[in-house]
Amino acid sequence: NAGVTQTPKFRVLKTGQSMTLLCAQDMNHEYMYWYRQDPGMGLRLIHYSVGEGTTAKGEVPDGYNVSRLKKQNFLLGLESAAPSQTSVYFCASSRTGGRKTQYFGPGTRLLVL
Amino acid sequence: QQQVKQSPQSLIVQKGGISIINCAYENTAFDYFPWYQQFPGKGPALLIAIRPDVSEKKEGRFTISFNKSAKQFSLHIMDSQPGDSATYFCAAYSGGSNYKLTFGKGTLLTVNP
Repeated sequence: NAGVTQTPKFRVLKTGQSMTLLCAQDMNHEYMYWYRQDPGMGLRLIHYSVGEGTTAKGEVPDGYNVSRLKKQNFLLGLESAAPSQTSVYFCASSRTGGRKTQYFGPGTRLLVL
Repeated sequence: QQQVKQSPQSLIVQKGGISIINCAYENTAFDYFPWYQQFPGKGPALLIAIRPDVSEKKEGRFTISFNKSAKQFSLHIMDSQPGDSATYFCAAYSGGSNYKLTFGKGTLLTVNP
């Protein structure tokens, strides 16, 4: 099992450009999450999904959109990138019930110039 | 509003020493408290977790101490090793939160050889 994978690993954008980050998991998890990690800020939840076709806002959703068309994939979109969105983005997934353990991907480093 | 407060922000320990990281929470609905470990360039990974019905949980050199009345919990790393150098996040979960974890801001641990 690959677990949680993220594409791309690193990207540089210019202000105003758009892009989509892809997260894929092969553990048949119902729940998926997108976080951003900034120095001194910990992990902040952007959006999450409790199942295929459903999404919800997290703590810092502004400037981002998400889609969960397939159970195994969770996409994070930036419609018009801003320098404030320079960050490391992590995707995570978890199953229903159990220990609520979230399994994280390796991250995508995004630099917006 | 920071619901989980973590301290210290950084910690330097000598090899063989004890590393202690503290967290405090406000929401009494939290009922699961995991700790995540993150190495540079990697995603966070579950290290150890505790439920509030026990006061201590030990796994190898890692121990969580939990004080329900004080709404505090801490991670103790015994016989700290250079390989333990990483960022540690405490987190909290409540059953009514759609499986969302609330993370502390993290502690950068450096273990000197």
